[in-house]
Amino acid sequence: DAKTTQPPSMDCAEGRAANLPCNHSTISGNEYVYWYRQIHSQGPQYIIHGLKNNETNEMASLIITEDRKSSTLILPHATLRDTAVYYCIVPIRVTAAGNKLTFGGGTRVLVKP
Amino acid sequence: GAVVSQHPSRVICKSGTSVKIECRSLDFQATTMFWYRQFPKQSLMLMATSNEGSKATYEQGVEKDKFLINHASLTLSTLTVTSAHPEDSSFYICSAGTAYSNQPQHFGDGTRLSIL
Repeated sequence: DAKTTQPPSMDCAEGRAANLPCNHSTISGNEYVYWYRQIHSQGPQYIIHGLKNNETNEMASLIITEDRKSSTLILPHATLRDTAVYYCIVPIRVTAAGNKLTFGGGTRVLVKP
Repeated sequence: GAVVSQHPSRVICKSGTSVKIECRSLDFQATTMFWYRQFPKQSLMLMATSNEGSKATYEQGVEKDKFLINHASLTLSTLTVTSAHPEDSSFYICSAGTAYSNQPQHFGDGTRLSIL
C-alpha cells in the first residue's frame, strides 16, 4: 500500500488560496489519490480524486506531479467553513467492488479571518 | 453528490446494553460498506469491511463477536455493539462504495456512542 505524508497543520487566511501538499512516493501506476476532509464531529467528506491528470471540481483542484510521487490540493478561496482536517489517501484495493481507505494524521487546516 | 445516512447520530446507554447503528446509502447501490471507529483526537480506524450478502472482514484486533455487522441489502448495513462497555464509547462512522472501484466512498455523519 502506498503511504502518504502530509504536514500536520497549516493556517490559511480567509479568501486566499490554500495549497495542501501530500507525498506518496511509493504509489503505483494504477493507484488513485483521493482527498477527503473531516469537519469537527462529522463524517469525512469526499473532495476530489485523480490518477495522472490535474482535476478540478466545484470544491477544489488537484495537481499531481508528472512522476505521481506527490500532489497538491488547492482550495481556491478558503472560507472559515473550510477549517477541517484534510486527508490525502491512496486506497488499497480489497475487493472488486471496493477500496480500503487508511486514514493517517492528515493536515489540520485553520482558516483565519 | 451521493448521500449516506447514519442513524442514530447519538446514543447514550448503560453498560451491558447492545446498540445497533444503521448505515443507508440513499441514492446508490452500495456493494461494499465500511465501518470505522474514531477516538477523541485520533484519526479514523477501519474496523471491518462488508460486502452485500457475505460475511464481514474484520481488521486485526477487532472482535467480530462484539461488533456484529450485517449487510443484507445493497442499501443497508448495520453494526451492533454487543454488551457495550465504557471503553466502547467512541465515534462510529460508516462509508459506502459502489461496484465501480475508482468511484469515491461516501461517509455517513457518524454515531457518537457513550456508554455509562
